[in-house]
Amino acid sequence: KQEVTQIPAALSVPEGENLVLNCSFTDSAIYNLQWFRQDPGKGLTSLLLIQSSQREQTSGRLNASLDKSSGRSTLYIAASQPGDSATYLCAENAGGTSYGKLTFGQGTILTVHP
Amino acid sequence: NAGVMQNPRHLVRRRGQEARLRCSPMKGHSHVYWYRQLPEEGLKFMVYLQKENIIDESGMPKERFSAEFPKEGPSILRIQQVVRGDSAAYFCASSPDSSPPQHFGDGTRLSIL
Repeated sequence: KQEVTQIPAALSVPEGENLVLNCSFTDSAIYNLQWFRQDPGKGLTSLLLIQSSQREQTSGRLNASLDKSSGRSTLYIAASQPGDSATYLCAENAGGTSYGKLTFGQGTILTVHP
Repeated sequence: NAGVMQNPRHLVRRRGQEARLRCSPMKGHSHVYWYRQLPEEGLKFMVYLQKENIIDESGMPKERFSAEFPKEGPSILRIQQVVRGDSAAYFCASSPDSSPPQHFGDGTRLSIL
């Protein structure tokens, strides 16, 4: 059974701090891993998608890494801002299907205070 | 280019009624996924559809739930005889092909009285 775990469940930091969100997964036969952002009452916004052949992806202040051997991914946010406050979800695409069936973690609730 | 559109945004039903949730994928997308987010739980896969075909419904409860994606019109997730445990946020995502979905709607929040 595929499981995705995110640590910590919640994180509160002052503005300007660099931070790391962690995601671990049990299925090593991973096709790709995706990080999403979810604002209250809203849908999901895809932030970064890492294919199994890649080790990391970067977009602006965000950097995501993927280590298949250890079953881990991290999302690094540089110089955090209050606007980064949201729930961050990681989702793996694995399990032998050839299509995008995602297994999500529970999320990390991030609060960046001024 | 509008994103994935879901309606209604909020839906209130009494126990035993039917709920119909609609999802219009992004233009040019013919693959649709439905996910459910129960209170205090993560998103769980329900069903994956292509136009006129259900490809994978392994995450759907066996009874009362059905989904369709007709040739014309939106995808519909239908819940018959709703119960309190069906209260959740239901999200739709679409993709142009079988690649993982990166575009999600804002969800339908279903409340059962």
